[in-house]
Amino acid sequence: AQSVTQPDIHITVSEGASLELRCNYSYGATPYLFWYVQSPGQGLQLLLKYFSGDTLVQGIKGFEAEFKMSQSSFNLRKPSVHWSDAAEYFCAVGSDGSSNTGKLIFGQGTTLQVKP
Amino acid sequence: DAGVTQSPTHLIKTRGQHVTLRCSPISGHKSVSWYQQVLGQGPQFIFQYYEKEERGRGNFPDRFSARQFPNYSSELNVNALLLGDSALYLCASSLAAIPGATDTQYFGPGTRLTVL
Repeated sequence: AQSVTQPDIHITVSEGASLELRCNYSYGATPYLFWYVQSPGQGLQLLLKYFSGDTLVQGIKGFEAEFKMSQSSFNLRKPSVHWSDAAEYFCAVGSDGSSNTGKLIFGQGTTLQVKP
Repeated sequence: DAGVTQSPTHLIKTRGQHVTLRCSPISGHKSVSWYQQVLGQGPQFIFQYYEKEERGRGNFPDRFSARQFPNYSSELNVNALLLGDSALYLCASSLAAIPGATDTQYFGPGTRLTVL
């Protein structure tokens, strides 16, 4: 069965420091992978996605993620964190269409706190 | 263009009552999905509808039902509410029938349901 694991429930970084949020997935075929961000009281905003091709994916707000099939990982990175990046981050895996369903399976999320 | 809209924003119900949540997709999007997000967890897939037909159903009891209208808006209905139904209910829309594979799901701000 498909699953997504985000090992870090809570991460605190200083403003200006680099960031890496971990995501591991379990999927039988080539996965379709996403990172979403959720600010308090808000819905989910797509940061970036991977379908195929270049394994280093650029997203909005200066985020990037690297797909590593050998490690079943899709870690999110940002070289310099801003205070406004404080939010909850979700990794998700999508269907390849074989099940005829477009559902996303989400990890439990990582809460990012940014220290001034 | 307007994004995905959901109503109401907040809702308080008591156990045993019925609730209807509404979602309007982005103009031109034909697929609507519903997710339940319990506090501290990632969203869980409930339903997907495409062209007014159910395309997928998550592991939720029959108390949960949904439908999609000719204008592609959607309703999620929950009968016989339980305390455990308290959650943020998210609606997402996309162009394609299989949004997880080849398309992007855009999320609304959610409806916060509290069951007392």
